[in-house]
Amino acid sequence: KAGVTQTPRYLIKTRGQQVTLSCSPISGHRSVSWYQQTPGQGLQFLFEYFSETQRNKGNFPGRFSGRQFSNSRSEMNVSTLELGDSALYLCASSLDATEAFFGQGTRLTVV
Amino acid sequence: AQTVTQSQPEMSVQEAETVTLSCTYDTSESDYYLFWYKQPPSRQMILVIRQEAYKQQNATENRFSVNFQKAAKSFSLKISDSQLGDAAMYFCAYRSPGSARQLTFGSGTQLTVLP
Repeated sequence: KAGVTQTPRYLIKTRGQQVTLSCSPISGHRSVSWYQQTPGQGLQFLFEYFSETQRNKGNFPGRFSGRQFSNSRSEMNVSTLELGDSALYLCASSLDATEAFFGQGTRLTVV
Repeated sequence: AQTVTQSQPEMSVQEAETVTLSCTYDTSESDYYLFWYKQPPSRQMILVIRQEAYKQQNATENRFSVNFQKAAKSFSLKISDSQLGDAAMYFCAYRSPGSARQLTFGSGTQLTVLP
């Protein structure tokens, strides 16, 4: 069974640009969550999607958005990138509330 | 809101020895899940062990076990017979059982295993 796949693995963007990250969950998992990991703030919850609906959202500005498709694949978008958006972005998929399985993450560098 | 605290930023252990990582949490809920995740240099978060709050028995997975003290809101991880491959950042995490599937993480403990 394939794990959670995140693409791309690494990304370098310029301030002001926008970026889209992709996450393919484990087959059969309908819940996808996104997290931002930085040395200063640690792991912070961005949002969660379940059956194409955003079910929960963390405390991030509106520049951060996401969506989920009918095949449960999810994308997150960050517009008007700032230097502080440089981080590891982790995606996790869940079948139920018991366990979350993580992808390898996308390392975003904003220059 | 729930909070998770890991008070040990760094720990070290000699290979083959035992080490315990601490975690405390704050919640008003009576039912919840607790997890320990491991993040090696590859950066992928790997689930180590899971504990359901309604279970009194402490979870065990091979060399990994927890000491879950619900009244004290404490959830420590014990690693026995430490191996070089156990070196990683370890995160304690909390999750509600309801529709909100988000994990609340602690700040992590960097574990070094000395040969």
